[in-house]
Amino acid sequence: DTGVSQDPRHKITKRGQNVTFRCDPISEHNRLYWYRQTLGQGPEFLTYFQNEAQLEKSRLLSDRFSAERPKGSFSTLEIQRTEQGDSAMYLCASSLEGRGIDEQFFGPGTRLTVL
Amino acid sequence: AQSVAQPEDQVNVAEGNPLTVKCTYSVSGNPYLFWYVQYPNRGLQFLLKYITGDNLVKGSYGFEAEFNKSQTSFHLKKPSALVSDSALYFCALKWTTDSWGKLQFGAGTQVVVTP
Repeated sequence: DTGVSQDPRHKITKRGQNVTFRCDPISEHNRLYWYRQTLGQGPEFLTYFQNEAQLEKSRLLSDRFSAERPKGSFSTLEIQRTEQGDSAMYLCASSLEGRGIDEQFFGPGTRLTVL
Repeated sequence: AQSVAQPEDQVNVAEGNPLTVKCTYSVSGNPYLFWYVQYPNRGLQFLLKYITGDNLVKGSYGFEAEFNKSQTSFHLKKPSALVSDSALYFCALKWTTDSWGKLQFGAGTQVVVTP
């Protein structure tokens, strides 16, 4: 499968714990995005990488959230001191710069439940 | 501020009948518009996009969408719905001033196609 993959698919944690999610984009894609989707809502933008550089962060991304994309390949999203309000589906997407108005290809998501 | 709205939480249609999913937007400029579909436990799948040119855009799985600038709408249509079209549909836009493509999504419309 050459699509976007995310790991884990599901994560249950207790409030206050740290969690880390991984996203592997389509191999030649240099742009990578993280979104968060809560029940009954559309995905909301969190952050964007072009290669290894993090170029924009949403105000939704509090200081408990950190994202990295070392070497411009896979990306990780870490949430420290999780809160119940962090429960959501975390989606990763990738696209290729230079293909006109590039569409984003989404992974299956990581569903986080904070107890 | 820019926004995208999907006025219907759910659309019910009988198999074989035409399907329309509504989307309107608000922007001070020219948006790029997208439709994505989400099946349970799967990521968002790209259906089609409007960039410029012909107002009628054809996409995957027999779907099409009509861009109407005067009504600021981008409704998704399918002439004959299938039971397998039952899913959650999202309209999304990004601004032409964004060179890298942050998407803003509507809240989604659940489509239910009955046999």
